[in-house]
Amino acid sequence: DTGVSQDPRHKITKRGQNVTFRCDPISEHNRLYWYRQTLGQGPEFLTYFQNEAQLEKSRLLSDRFSAERPKGSFSTLEIQRTEQGDSAMYLCASSSGSGAGANVLTFGAGSRLTVL
Amino acid sequence: EDQVTQSPEALRLQEGESSSLNCSYTVSGLRGLFWYRQDPGKGPEFLFTLYSAGEEKEKERLKATLTKKESFLHITAPKPEDSATYLCAVQALQNEKLTFGTGTRLTIIP
Repeated sequence: DTGVSQDPRHKITKRGQNVTFRCDPISEHNRLYWYRQTLGQGPEFLTYFQNEAQLEKSRLLSDRFSAERPKGSFSTLEIQRTEQGDSAMYLCASSSGSGAGANVLTFGAGSRLTVL
Repeated sequence: EDQVTQSPEALRLQEGESSSLNCSYTVSGLRGLFWYRQDPGKGPEFLFTLYSAGEEKEKERLKATLTKKESFLHITAPKPEDSATYLCAVQALQNEKLTFGTGTRLTIIP
């Protein structure tokens, strides 16, 4: 297993366009998380899945953001009608949810979004 | 609301010069406190989890400690490869999310 994979690594888009990011977690992990990180800040929680169920969602996640995890495997994060304030690194993480290290998050390398 | 404050924001040390990073937190029931390392352009990399006051964990030149209000990351005789941003995060009992601080950017000068 190569860890958590995210695609694309970089995305440049114009304001008002839609973008979608994909995350492939560690295969045996049933929990998946999305975070957003801007320059000089720590990661900020967006949403969390246990298998295919979206169990927690940040109040900061506007209606333009939607995340899915069909079949409890990979996940997508879509941002509609992007705004310049959406420019950030979008980080995906996964955890096993059981056993030793159940709550330890393994992060991917992130998808950097630039909105012009 | 859970809060994490890290200090200093940035720290420059000579190679071999030991120091400590601070993480102060408030949380409504602590499930765990986490330390991560982040290199530029990469995702955070897990270092330690601490669960209760008095607990300590070590890995190479790093040692993390925990009290009821703060955690310290002690770095002993650092090397240039220890240069990174160190992030602290807390997880409350009632939810799964981690609340991160803004990090300490550590630079080790050869």
